[in-house]
Amino acid sequence: SQQGEEDPQALSIQEGENATMNCSYKTSINNLQWYRQNSGRGLVHLILIRSNEREKHSGRLRVTLDTSKKSSSLLITASRAADTASYFCATDARSGAQKLVFGQGTRLTINP
Amino acid sequence: GAVVSQHPSWVICKSGTSVKIECRSLDFQATTMFWYRQFPKQSLMLMATSNEGSKATYEQGVEKDKFLINHASLTLSTLTVTSAHPEDSSFYICSAGSGIYEQYFGPGTRLTVT
Repeated sequence: SQQGEEDPQALSIQEGENATMNCSYKTSINNLQWYRQNSGRGLVHLILIRSNEREKHSGRLRVTLDTSKKSSSLLITASRAADTASYFCATDARSGAQKLVFGQGTRLTINP
Repeated sequence: GAVVSQHPSWVICKSGTSVKIECRSLDFQATTMFWYRQFPKQSLMLMATSNEGSKATYEQGVEKDKFLINHASLTLSTLTVTSAHPEDSSFYICSAGSGIYEQYFGPGTRLTVT
């Protein structure tokens, strides 16, 4: 069953601006991951943050995790047209080995 | 990096026929593979977890007799959609697990049932 909620569902910004997407979940987790999906394509793994971590960086990506609020955010800085895609968070519950539950996703559009 | 392939990338079939989708881990052995379904503009829904050499575990609401999963080797899992109907039209994505947390996704298969 889906346990992740993401907001906004859709986000449209100008190239160069920062994009922030949020994800909330319901149960205790081991890790939270963010994925990107271009239209009609498979998923690309962006970043994994463990439950004992609060913030993680990878290039232009910054992910935060607040386990007390059961929420995470993905920040993409200095956005580019190529960042246009859908972004999903996914959690693996402590009780289930490897099984991922995906959020509803945010459709990000970067306008040139 | 780990690569997972799917075949075919797209398929069109007539209502009532069966379709087989393959998922392969190309450069690693995957004891566990997962099958997801994604409807347009929606998220991925886990259908089943497939472990090599054993029966798949299906999520609630997924008909195991309709979606047959076989995981005969450490590098291959297949999903067969039996007696397909238009409502089975969807994007099917597999992933393969390596290690405790790593999971690598295939490029997906677009199924259209006419």
